Amino acid sequence: DAGVTQSPTHLIKTRGQQVTLRCSPKSGHDTVSWYQQALGQGPQFIFQYYEEEERQRGNFPDRFSGHQFPNYSSELNVNALLLGDSALYLCASSLGGPSNQPQHFGDGTRLSIL
Amino acid sequence: QKEVEQNSGPLSVPEGAIASLNCTYSDRGSQSFFWYRQYSGKSPELIMSIYSNGDKEDGRFTAQLNKASQYVSLLIRDSQPSDSATYLCAVIGGSTLGRLYFGRGTQLTVWP
Repeated sequence: DAGVTQSPTHLIKTRGQQVTLRCSPKSGHDTVSWYQQALGQGPQFIFQYYEEEERQRGNFPDRFSGHQFPNYSSELNVNALLLGDSALYLCASSLGGPSNQPQHFGDGTRLSIL
Repeated sequence: QKEVEQNSGPLSVPEGAIASLNCTYSDRGSQSFFWYRQYSGKSPELIMSIYSNGDKEDGRFTAQLNKASQYVSLLIRDSQPSDSATYLCAVIGGSTLGRLYFGRGTQLTVWP
């Protein structure tokens, strides 16, 4: 039973560039949420996708955008990268859209901005 | 602004002791509460979820919820060095289903 998978595991970019991160949810899950975790902090909610639509969004600028595909996988895109975007980006999957169900995390993508 | 507060620690206990981790939350309408364990350099791993007032036990872990006091805790019995990690408290608010609000985490060290 495959868990949540994310790619790539590590990424190095420079300021101003654009990046795309990918996530496949756990088998049987249909909802994907993205979080940003800075060093020493708890994860911060970016947005959640269900039925190929963004259902909720946290306090992130519109440089952060996403997409969900018919197979439930998802992408996170960040444009015009800033030094402050350096963080661990976590994808979490769950079942049934916005709900109180537990979310299961992938191993994350560590993004470094130079 | 929904807030989740944890005692930041670090918390250090000897092997075999009980570790007690605490968390308070600001949104009285919160419905769902979770504890995640995060090893250094790794992603959060769900270890407990609790939805109703009282205690919930799973092996060496017990989660306790008191909605009136807006307080949730995690007890780890017979602590092992392998329990050394950061423990994150997470809450789903009443009006923002699906969105986890996290505390900053409590770093636990279990020494042999």
